[in-house]
Formats: sequence, structure tokens, C-alpha cells
Amino acid sequence: GAGVSQSPRYKVAKRGQDVALRCDPISGHVSLFWYQQALGQGPEFLTYFQNEAQLDKSGLPSDRFFAERPEGSVSTLKIQRTQQEDSAVYLCASSLAGGAGNTIYFGEGSWLTVV
Amino acid sequence: AQSVTQPDIHITVSEGASLELRCNYSYGATPYLFWYVQSPGQGLQLLLKYFSGDTLVQGIKGFEAEFKRSQSSFNLRKPSVHWSDAAEYFCAGPLAAGNKLTFGGGTRVLVKP
Repeated sequence: GAGVSQSPRYKVAKRGQDVALRCDPISGHVSLFWYQQALGQGPEFLTYFQNEAQLDKSGLPSDRFFAERPEGSVSTLKIQRTQQEDSAVYLCASSLAGGAGNTIYFGEGSWLTVV
Repeated sequence: AQSVTQPDIHITVSEGASLELRCNYSYGATPYLFWYVQSPGQGLQLLLKYFSGDTLVQGIKGFEAEFKRSQSSFNLRKPSVHWSDAAEYFCAGPLAAGNKLTFGGGTRVLVKP
């Protein structure tokens, strides 16, 4: 696609509910990232995939957070038993290749509100 | 610890005036550095990036940034601000191995008519 596409754009979840956020990266992009952005703050790294391999999940805040990219394209971020502190914008990003010099392109985000 | 710092949380500027946003990094080697802009309800759009070579980098929307190793800075500038430049601006860099980005806290720019 032309850009990184995320769905749903907005999600309201009741505390304790499970949610799944989808990311469709730019076609052909090998690297895929998930970031969490709390209100009024900069994005914080959650996890990184190269193709279908999850190479870094050091930013996932708890074992309630799980991400997958089974075929090396679309990715899903799943949050189990949501808590109020999970309320944030979840940004997906992709880049053509790995390595520090590659430009990372961001989607518009999925806005999660836990009530 | 490796970090990216944006000292100014908010900046208010009059339309037509110049703008400079500060970014400082803490990293041993020469970093790659990026500036992104985020309009309300939108994702992050890349304005410009520094990899190596010329320390003055030109970007989109009339923005430029200058890398200064001696000051560990990568400040963003625009000579004449338009009302549409009102947004939040983030400096970022892959400060560790790989291309995982570390972001500054952001600077919110308000433009007065």
C-alpha cells in the first residue's frame, strides 16, 4: 500500500477486555515496529520484527502484551486483560530494511481508551 | 544513558516569525538523527534526517536542521512559520544498535496569527 495502515483507528475497551490492533506495513518493507505513545509524551518502543521474526520485544510492558507477524507482512498487537494504564496511541511503523540508516515510516495510530 | 532530549515543551511563535526547536542527544558515536512532526490526531511524518556528511540538512515544508557534534545538538529551524506548522515536533535517533528509535519528549508549537 501507499502508507502504513492501522486498524481500528479508535477503540474503547472495558477494563479486562482483550483487544487486537492490526498493522499493514508498506508493501515490501522488511522491518516493522510497534510504539506506544501516552498522552503528551513521545513514542516509546515496544517491539520490532524483521520479516516474521520478532527480534526485539524489550519494550513490551508486561506479559499481557503480545505481537505477531506470522507471514512477514501484516502484524497484530494483542493486549490481554486491558488496564487503564494501557490507554494510549499505538503506532505501527515500517522500514524497507533493518539497520540504523533506514527511514522509518509511521501509520496514523490506533487510539485505545480503556474505561 | 543514551537519550534524546528536547528541552522546550511548548513554544509559541507568531505567524511569519522564525522558529528554532532544540534537540540534544547523548550517544558515544555519531548518531543518525530524525525530526518528525505530528499534527493532532495524526501519525508521525518525517521532516528530515541526518546520516552523515553535510551537517546542514534540508527537509520538507521549508524546514532545515543542523547537526553540531561539539554541542551534541540537532536543532530544527524554519525561517518563516505558517499557521499550518502548529503541531508537535519530535526529535529521534537510533541510539542503540539497530534502527529502534528513541524519541525526545516532543515540543508543541503554537502559532499566533
